[in-house]
Parts: sequence; structure tokens; C-alpha cells
Amino acid sequence: SQTIHQWPATLVQPVGSPLSLECTVEGTSNPNLYWYRQAAGRGLQLLFYSVGIGQISSEVPQNLSASRPQDRQFILSSKKLLLSDSGFYLCAWSKDSSNSPLHFGNGTRLTVT
Amino acid sequence: AQTVTQSQPEMSVQEAETVTLSCTYDTSESNYYLFWYKQPPSRQMILVIRQEAYKQQNATENRFSVNFQKAAKSFSLKISDSQLGDTAMYFCAFTSGTYKYIFGTGTRLKVLA
Repeated sequence: SQTIHQWPATLVQPVGSPLSLECTVEGTSNPNLYWYRQAAGRGLQLLFYSVGIGQISSEVPQNLSASRPQDRQFILSSKKLLLSDSGFYLCAWSKDSSNSPLHFGNGTRLTVT
Repeated sequence: AQTVTQSQPEMSVQEAETVTLSCTYDTSESNYYLFWYKQPPSRQMILVIRQEAYKQQNATENRFSVNFQKAAKSFSLKISDSQLGDTAMYFCAFTSGTYKYIFGTGTRLKVLA
């Protein structure tokens, strides 16, 4: 069966510090990978998605970037965090087919102080 | 642009009763896929049910069923025999197979003992 791992679960970082959130998927190959952000009590905002190694599509211009160095690894980064980057970050994967649902990791709660 | 609207920010239901959560969407696509996700206080996103637009039969998963009205672009979720564990945020989501999954803003459901 497929599993998705996302870490860390909680992170508190000062403004201006770098960020690296990691997500890995097991049990499948060539998944589509996604990063979403969820502000408190609100819906999900798609940040990035990737359909293959090195292929990253950005949905919202911002202080964040994403990379996919391996088939089942997806990394969300920032060189300098802003207060507005605080939120709940969710990694997700789907099969490479149009009707596949998204499967989510447990999320990372990021607080920028 | 494709949109998903959940017009009920909060709802409550007595334990063992039935509740219906509303979702409408807008798209010019003829084939697409719809999902309901549950996000309990743990914030793990859990797939509840999915519906393929070309299937006229409404999807059912145990106590969860949908009322899919394609012409009206409506996709409501019915929870029968509500249980305390059903307390969560519920998100409606849409994809037309273009790698993008669009989420509504969510409905917070509270099941009362």
C-alpha cells in the first residue's frame, strides 16, 4: 500500500530564517505531488505541484519554492521566512490518472515569530 | 475559471440524526471528478467519498452518500446516523484531470451528544 510521510509535524521559526519541509511517498512510482497551505479555519490553497522529477508548477507567486530531486520526494523551501508564511502545510500525492483522489500527509504546522 | 462553493460555514447535528452538507461548483468541462474530504481536529485530510461526473449513480460509502445533480452543478454530502467522530471540517473538491484540485472553503460540522 502507498504511504506518505511529511515532516516535521511542528515548526517554529524566526522571521528571516530559511525553511525546508520534506515529503516522501512510498509504494508507488511517478506520483503527482502537491504542496497546499491552509490558513487557520480556511480552505486549501495550492502552492506547487509536480508531475515528474524536476518539473515544478507554481500556482501563487510568493516567498516559497519547491523542488523534486527524486521521483517520490517533494521539498518546500524558503530562503527567508515572512510572518505571513505561518500556516498549516499539507503535502499530497495522486496517481498519474485523471480520476485519482489526492492523498494527504499529516501536515506541518509552521509558526513564524 | 473553475470554482467550488460551500455556502454553510458551520453546521450542527444531533447524534444519530442525518445531515446534508452543500457544495456547488462551476466548470465548462463535461467530464470531471468530485470529492468530499474530512478534516478532524487532528487536521489529517481523509477522503470520504468520490463521484465521477459521467456516472449518474450517486456514490455511497457506508453512512456517507452524495446527491450529485450535474445539471445544477451540485454535489451534496449526506451523513446518516451521525456519530461523534464525524465532528470535523468537510471540504468539497473538484478536478477535471488537469492536475489541479480545487477545494471549497469548508463546512465545520459538529455532532452533538
